[in-house]
Amino acid sequence: DAKTTQPTSMDCAEGRAANLPCNHSTISGNEYVYWYRQIHSQGPQYIIHGLKNNETNEMASLIITEDRKSSTLILPHATLRDTAVYYCIVSPRLGGSQGNLIFGKGTKLSVKP
Amino acid sequence: SQTIHQWPATLVQPVGSPLSLECTVEGTSNPNLYWYRQAAGRGLQLLFYSVGIGQISSEVPQNLSASRPQDRQFILSSKKLLLSDSGFYLCAWSVYGDTIYFGEGSWLTVV
Repeated sequence: DAKTTQPTSMDCAEGRAANLPCNHSTISGNEYVYWYRQIHSQGPQYIIHGLKNNETNEMASLIITEDRKSSTLILPHATLRDTAVYYCIVSPRLGGSQGNLIFGKGTKLSVKP
Repeated sequence: SQTIHQWPATLVQPVGSPLSLECTVEGTSNPNLYWYRQAAGRGLQLLFYSVGIGQISSEVPQNLSASRPQDRQFILSSKKLLLSDSGFYLCAWSVYGDTIYFGEGSWLTVV
């Protein structure tokens, strides 16, 4: 079972920031928070990950609370192409034999014109 | 930059027929390679992973096998497909300490 809880769906106006929350209250000290998204019928796309500090890349920002029990993915200027299902995953650092990604149901983000 | 390709994108195969899905990665050396299956509305199931040529680890017993004949090539096979093999298959790669990146996926329908 997934160790995260996300809202089922969210809407966002095009050009506005999309803030996607994730609860992971049982996260362990060695587990990272990963975000992927999946557009229908395509492979998951990596977005960002973090351990305890906030992270930012060209796609998004990740804000992790100090107690690490929740996080928020921020898409600063959402476009129609950002419409997808967004998955929040907690896992030990990926790579090597650690390839198990337990996706929950994710959040269906709909960006509207 | 690194890219990953898998093919075919879709295929329809009769029960009992063989299967071969291929995946190649470009722009990196000695990647870790993975095959996943995604059931409709559910998460990803890790099927196989490989840390080097000829080195294959299976996560679940099944009707499928994997091979890695070259550093950046990963193949998923079956000698005789079952109806239950239908699904969305994903190839992925990583470099240890980094995250996992996925290919476009292959839709397999066994009829």
